Amino acid sequence: DIQMTQSPSTLSASVGDRVTITCRASQSISSWLAWYQQKPGKAPKLLIYKASSLESGVPSRFSGSGSGTEFTLTISSLQPDDFATYYCQQYNSYSATFGPGTKVDIK
Amino acid sequence: EVQLLESGGGLVQPGGSLRLSCAASGFTFSSYAMSWVRQAPGKGLEWVSAISGSGGSTYYADSVKGRFTISRDNSKNTLYLQMNSLRAEDTAVYYCAKNPESYCGGDCYLDYWGQGTLVTVSS
Repeated sequence: DIQMTQSPSTLSASVGDRVTITCRASQSISSWLAWYQQKPGKAPKLLIYKASSLESGVPSRFSGSGSGTEFTLTISSLQPDDFATYYCQQYNSYSATFGPGTKVDIK
Repeated sequence: EVQLLESGGGLVQPGGSLRLSCAASGFTFSSYAMSWVRQAPGKGLEWVSAISGSGGSTYYADSVKGRFTISRDNSKNTLYLQMNSLRAEDTAVYYCAKNPESYCGGDCYLDYWGQGTLVTVSS
């Protein structure tokens, strides 16, 4: 299976900050990567697919980049609604795998 | 509006069985693959299984292969997960999720998720 790692595991930030989360794959996954946001007690929500495509209805302050084994999720100006845990997911193989998550909390 | 509503979770003893259901609405159910993803308490997400839109192709994570069976009834717009030989490590919230295409194994992202149903395996 393809292993996914994320850094940092926790990120403390303030409203208005630019935030970047990194996701790395154990082997090349081309651009087959998605990002999700999850709030406590809620289901994950799709933000980005195919590494950089913004899901309909997701604010443009979210952006994704990367290919191969290294990817980033950037929030250009953190808003109060953005405090959550973010997961990356590779879907290059028939057995999808998720990263361990990055919790973004209030500084 | 896409809606996915899971049911069937609960407390079950190790070695027992449980069947989860996911009622779908707001889209043409038979045109899309569907998946189950689970999340152990306080842990991350784990893809469990997927089924093609027609139901003719199924895919499983190694951790559940041979114990879990995914199926669907397109006439009822319902997805199922039959879970047998349950273990303590199967304890999790189980999410039903929609794939963006008809033919997906684990090789698709998930564009809509239900709210989940909790399965607890304990004696």
